[in-house]
Amino acid sequence: QKEVEQDPGPLSVPEGAIVSLNCTYSNSAFQYFMWYRQYSRKGPELLMYTYSSGNKEDGRFTAQVDKSSKYISLFIRDSQPSDSATYLCAMKVTGNQFYFGTGTSLTVIP
Amino acid sequence: GAVVSQHPSRVICKSGTSVKIECRSLDFQATTMFWYRQFPKQSLMLMATSNEGSKATYEQGVEKDKFLINHASLTLSTLTVTSAHPEDSSFYICSARVPGGLETQYFGPGTRLLVL
Repeated sequence: QKEVEQDPGPLSVPEGAIVSLNCTYSNSAFQYFMWYRQYSRKGPELLMYTYSSGNKEDGRFTAQVDKSSKYISLFIRDSQPSDSATYLCAMKVTGNQFYFGTGTSLTVIP
Repeated sequence: GAVVSQHPSRVICKSGTSVKIECRSLDFQATTMFWYRQFPKQSLMLMATSNEGSKATYEQGVEKDKFLINHASLTLSTLTVTSAHPEDSSFYICSARVPGGLETQYFGPGTRLLVL
């Protein structure tokens, strides 16, 4: 079983839709959770960072962590064509070992 | 935020030559940097973790003699692909952690290597 599972998609939504991206994990010791956005042929960009459980909101983006279910989500409200990218979840306990999901490809259609 | 740069952004070389890729932390000192490889439509594959002033720690299956990593200063790490072959063609991305900062890493823009 992989440490982190992420549906690769692809996911295609109309502009203005609410997008839900998810990852599940198996290691209950994970306590730091991240979402990265990666445009084609570019390096990943840190989008959201959360410690432990709870919600975090930044503009149109909301990150949720449910440690009891070992499940994290990224919600994008009022999606825009510029949100079209691959979204990677990542998580860790402490130290330098990060665990990445495989990424979900999102296309927002104008 | 923390900014990481890479140079070059793209490189084309002949088979058998060596290629050096630089990774710099522009606005912070990075004691730890990471090197990743990414194939099209696939996720990141960690190649090695480098700590300033010490030898890099390579992941299983990564040839340390082929992928030479040097982290000689707190703002610069280099990856040298020695005797490159077409199968080394890939997207190479570095990242760095900010000491005392968030428990995350910041990525560079990546280097696309094409070996002919």
